[in-house]
Formats: sequence, C-alpha cells, structure tokens
Amino acid sequence: DAKTTQPTSMDCAEGRAANLPCNHSTISGNEYVYWYRQIHSQGPQYIIHGLKNNETNEMASLIITEDRKSSTLILPHATLRDTAVYYCIVRVANSNSGYALNFGKGTSLLVTP
Amino acid sequence: GAVVSQHPSRVICKSGTSVKIECRSLDFQATTMFWYRQFPKQSLMLMATSNEGSKATYEQGVEKDKFLINHASLTLSTLTVTSAHPEDSSFYICSARSKKADTFGSGTRLTVV
Repeated sequence: DAKTTQPTSMDCAEGRAANLPCNHSTISGNEYVYWYRQIHSQGPQYIIHGLKNNETNEMASLIITEDRKSSTLILPHATLRDTAVYYCIVRVANSNSGYALNFGKGTSLLVTP
Repeated sequence: GAVVSQHPSRVICKSGTSVKIECRSLDFQATTMFWYRQFPKQSLMLMATSNEGSKATYEQGVEKDKFLINHASLTLSTLTVTSAHPEDSSFYICSARSKKADTFGSGTRLTVV
C-alpha cells in the first residue's frame, strides 16, 4: 500500500467546513483512497473512498487531485461529534485484497464550540 | 449499511484466566475478518487475519497459542485471550471485510487485574 502523510492535528470551529489533507505521492493506478475516523474509545468508522473522481456521500466529500498525489476530505459543517482521529489509507479495492488496513497516525481533528 | 457487533464492550478478568471476544457481521457475510489491538494514544496494530474455514494468519510477535482465533462461520469470528496477564490489557477491535469497505466493531476494553 502506498504511504500517506497527514498533519498530526487540526482545529475547526463548529459549523465551519473541516478540510483534512492527505498526501499520497506514490499512489499506484489501481489504488483507492479510503478515509476512516475513530472517535475516542470506539472502533473506526468508514467515511468514504474514491479512485480518481471526486466523491460525496451523507458524511463527507472527497476531493482527489488530477495527478492523484493528494486528496482532501471535507466535512462541510463540522459538529462537536466530528471530533476524532481521521485516517487516510491508500490501498487496492477491498475485493482485490486479502490484506488488512494499515492505520498510520492520522489527523486528530478537534471541533471547538 | 454493514453492521459489525462486538461483544463484550468491556471486561475485567483476573490474571491467568481466559477471555473470549466475539465479532459478528449482522447483515453481511465476511470471508475475512481482522483483529487489531490498540494501546493508549497509539494507532491500531493488526494482530491477525481470520479467514473462514481456515487457520488465522498472525502478525509477527503475536503469539498464536495465546491469542486463539476461530472463524467457523461467515458471520462470526472469536478471539480468546488465554492465560491473560496485565500486559494484555488493551482495546481489542475486530473488523469484517465486504466488497465496499471494512466495517469495524465497537471494540472491547480488556483489563487484566
């Protein structure tokens, strides 16, 4: 799996958009960008994933640069409950892999009132 | 959406006893499940990969005779911590793989006294 680089921590005011960057300059053509988050003392939660097109679901939007070397997870209206550690993981599609997810250190997002 | 139930959520046991943790995929079948361990302020560390009907694959440094994994059906994997010691106290998390993404349980907080 390609290596990813994320900032250690970020702050965001409640109600504002939280933009979480991820660099993955060695990503391969068949590797997807996955985002998970872990709220304190809970299991990780799947957020979104994409290959090259931008993706949006009820939780977030994923913007992938044209060269696919970086991406941004956007929480459009952050709430206090979005405070968590966010993990950007690059790997082949689930259906093509028997390997586990490799969790790095992630970005600790603090949403403040 | 995909749901994984992990039980118990927390357990306290005496040194030398064994503890069994269950991981169930409630609304999908999972050929592959994973077991992770997480110490305070650290990221998730993979312990083993569990494939239905076959022996689990353990990561380097994880004792297979101490951490017994059984994956007898497509919806259930169990982790048994045998002869538990205080250093086994940790947060144990399972996940089940579907085509879309890995779904995680809510975790089990094990305290060995």
